[in-house]
Amino acid sequence: DVKVTQSSRYLVKRTGEKVFLECVQDMDHENMFWYRQDPGLGLRLIYFSYDVKMKEKGDIPEGYSVSREKKERFSLILESASTNQTSMYLCATKSGQGRQPQHFGDGTRLSIL
Amino acid sequence: AQKVTQAQTEISVVEKEDVTLDCVYETRDTTYYLFWYKQPPSGELVFLIRRNSFDEQNEISGRYSWNFQKSTSSFNFTITASQVVDSAVYFCALTPNAGNMLTFGGGTRLMVKP
Repeated sequence: DVKVTQSSRYLVKRTGEKVFLECVQDMDHENMFWYRQDPGLGLRLIYFSYDVKMKEKGDIPEGYSVSREKKERFSLILESASTNQTSMYLCATKSGQGRQPQHFGDGTRLSIL
Repeated sequence: AQKVTQAQTEISVVEKEDVTLDCVYETRDTTYYLFWYKQPPSGELVFLIRRNSFDEQNEISGRYSWNFQKSTSSFNFTITASQVVDSAVYFCALTPNAGNMLTFGGGTRLMVKP
């Protein structure tokens, strides 16, 4: 079974802080994704990475950056957290293209005060 | 651009009732894949099914069944004899054949009451 581990289930930070969300996978998948989930909006893609050091913007990249220095680890960075970034963040991984399903972590519920 | 619409934001049923979750999609791609995911209260999205655009056969897995109709761009999900454990948020999603990005619908929260 694919294991996708997100570093925290719950996180509380203050406005203006730099926040790191970590995701680790154990299946050697090329592709890794960061989404945020908000009620009624479903999951929206922030960034994805198709290889080490490679990244592409998703639908809502503003206010976020990412880092992929190793194949198994994909980090989401909030450079200066704001209250409108309070949300559930989900990491996913995927092998290959198209038909393969994405596999998700448990999510991190982030609150920015 | 792709779009997935799940018009039902919340459905409440009593245990043993049948329930259908609707999914309508828009895409310009001729080949694509559709997915359903379940998100229980624990938070992790669980993959349920994948269907490619060339395969319009309905699929049944236990109490779950899926009806894909390309003519109406719909991929609906039916749970027969619902159970309390079916309570979750269900997402429909779409990806192009050669692509990586999933486009998700807004999700349908299903509450099954005993």
